[in-house]
Amino acid sequence: EVQLVESGGGLVQPGRSLRLSCATSGFTFDDYAMHWVRQAPGKGLEWVSGISWNSGRTGYGDSVKGRFTISRDNAKNSLYLQMNSLRVEDTAVYYCAKDSSYAPVGPFYWGQGTLVAVSS
Amino acid sequence: QSALTQPPSASGSPGQSVTISCTGTSSDVGGYNYVSWHQQRPGKAPKLIIYEVTKRPSGVPDRFSGSKSGNTASLTVSGLQAEDEADYYCFSYAGNNNDVVFGGGTKLTVL
Repeated sequence: EVQLVESGGGLVQPGRSLRLSCATSGFTFDDYAMHWVRQAPGKGLEWVSGISWNSGRTGYGDSVKGRFTISRDNAKNSLYLQMNSLRVEDTAVYYCAKDSSYAPVGPFYWGQGTLVAVSS
Repeated sequence: QSALTQPPSASGSPGQSVTISCTGTSSDVGGYNYVSWHQQRPGKAPKLIIYEVTKRPSGVPDRFSGSKSGNTASLTVSGLQAEDEADYYCFSYAGNNNDVVFGGGTKLTVL
């Protein structure tokens, strides 16, 4: 059974940094691209970032370019999101998602999410 | 602002069919067969119901179907049931620079 477990969320002040992690199991991690997708309170889903199976390709949504960095450790079956210069508008539930392809074409299977709250 | 346009709401009575549209451009929906649809019930994580425009993951009822014409993808829910009441989102691959784009979501109400 595919499992995606996000961690690292919490309350952080504007301008600070936070690192999210996603521990995976139940599939061959290094065969698939991965994504981060977020959802602000009461709002829709927003694609944040994606990474190919071998980290050779990464992509970012316009609202996080230059501030967030996606990475993965295939030896640890884990996905990460380094979030710098956080803003109040980054407050959201952050979902880790597995792709169906080795290249990032879209989310296929979702984790349960971790809440990030940016506030002073 | 979402790159893909979905109607904010849709509704139908039990047993009826409803179709939700997702309109993009030739650089995303129209250019690739990587459109997916996701269902999200209140307080829950999203769940994939259609991928690669028309494919259903195992366990998803065949009442859910997907299609595409030009730059518009569609999700059709046939034989509406109360449990289908949820928010529905479309995603599309958009090429190497834009990677993945998404719709603003459609709230489906079963009357």
